[in-house]
Amino acid sequence: GAVVSQHPSWVICKSGTSVKIECRSLDFQATTMFWYRQFPKQSLMLMATSNEGSKATYEQGVEKDKFLINHASLTLSTLTVTSAHPEDSSFYICSAVNQPGETQYFGPGTRLLVL
Amino acid sequence: AQKITQTQPGMFVQEKEAVTLDCTYDTSDPSYGLFWYKQPSSGEMIFLIYQGSYDQQNATEGRYSLNFQKARKSANLVISASQLGDSAMYFCAMIIQGYSTLTFGKGTMLLVSP
Repeated sequence: GAVVSQHPSWVICKSGTSVKIECRSLDFQATTMFWYRQFPKQSLMLMATSNEGSKATYEQGVEKDKFLINHASLTLSTLTVTSAHPEDSSFYICSAVNQPGETQYFGPGTRLLVL
Repeated sequence: AQKITQTQPGMFVQEKEAVTLDCTYDTSDPSYGLFWYKQPSSGEMIFLIYQGSYDQQNATEGRYSLNFQKARKSANLVISASQLGDSAMYFCAMIIQGYSTLTFGKGTMLLVSP
């Protein structure tokens, strides 16, 4: 299967700081990338869909000014959690597809802890 | 709107036995795809198997097979000869043709005992 990397794998930060998470497709071009959030013992919750070169589409209830998504190239998307607070602590995971409707391949995820 | 239902919060199976994880779905769209993903405790989501709504045969990938019953709107995952490494959370997901977003079920935790 296709390989998607995510960096960092875990991060601890102070409340009020911003955190950037990178998602890279290593062996294919990802026209679309997805960002999910997952709380313990729960399913994945889609936060936003990003298409290369255009603005991300956010799901209802997700603050776009809080969670900045950039998809500047066909292999890289970034999620920046701005002014992070303890309630933003979660597991963030990205996925990527070459074409819409194809199998989504997921990165290994990033565990964020905001103190 | 589409919906995925996984009614088994947890399943136990002994090593080397087969296990079936249930998944039912609801959609009015005739063109869709069904996926199963495995999420071990490390958190990564591992793609296991895919079934298209028009596929005539049930999908198989090694020890994984998908028991697709279209009329009943079910897409159960069958794992044959369970291994200790199969212990993980398993998610069923659906995509509608023409769209890119997945709809996930709540997942089933599988524990394989020696």
